[in-house]
Amino acid sequence: GEDVEQSLFLSVREGDSSVINCTYTDSSSTYLYWYKQEPGAGLQLLTYIFSNMDMKQDQRLTVLLNKKDKHLSLRIADTQTGDSAIYFCAESKESGYSTLTFGKGTMLLVSP
Amino acid sequence: DAGVIQSPRHEVTEMGQEVTLRCKPISGHDYLFWYRQTMMRGLELLIYFNNNVPIDDSGMPEDRFSAKMPNASFSTLKIQPSEPRDSAVYFCASSLSGYGYTFGSGTRLTVV
Repeated sequence: GEDVEQSLFLSVREGDSSVINCTYTDSSSTYLYWYKQEPGAGLQLLTYIFSNMDMKQDQRLTVLLNKKDKHLSLRIADTQTGDSAIYFCAESKESGYSTLTFGKGTMLLVSP
Repeated sequence: DAGVIQSPRHEVTEMGQEVTLRCKPISGHDYLFWYRQTMMRGLELLIYFNNNVPIDDSGMPEDRFSAKMPNASFSTLKIQPSEPRDSAVYFCASSLSGYGYTFGSGTRLTVV
């Protein structure tokens, strides 16, 4: 199966919270990342979490990591239409340097 | 810093022609990556360099693809001859010591 899996699509109303989920298979993953891709643009790093952390909060973004279940989530509070984009989960497999493995991305659509 | 700069933004070419994509990484970054993005396969790592040296090119689809990094501020990805199935968005990314990639805006390649 895929190393990193995400649901393909999420639709929410403006002002609601969005939760984007990701599962990964490699228990040795040390860093987990969330990237955002707006139409016609490259991927932009949103946030990341070390594998020894359970949670990280950054303004409207909350990342939760369940290492036992190899499950990562990104919660966006008070979702805005400008948050509409594709969100990619990524993992790096080793400590120190390694390449990132990306999921296929979740398209978030925020309606007014 | 202007970020990772890719050119051209769009390229339309006829099957059999040579295509060259260009990338200028962020100054001081020691890793450079070439990715290809398609709807079917998502983001695929083609090749990456460390200090201008190719480290892993196992993702390069076939011998028609080649990449070079003659110096720390420039890399090219060449496809010769191009085929319609090469149509995709090609991204370049750079990083410092492998943490947190910065992506360029991509080159949308269409081979007709």
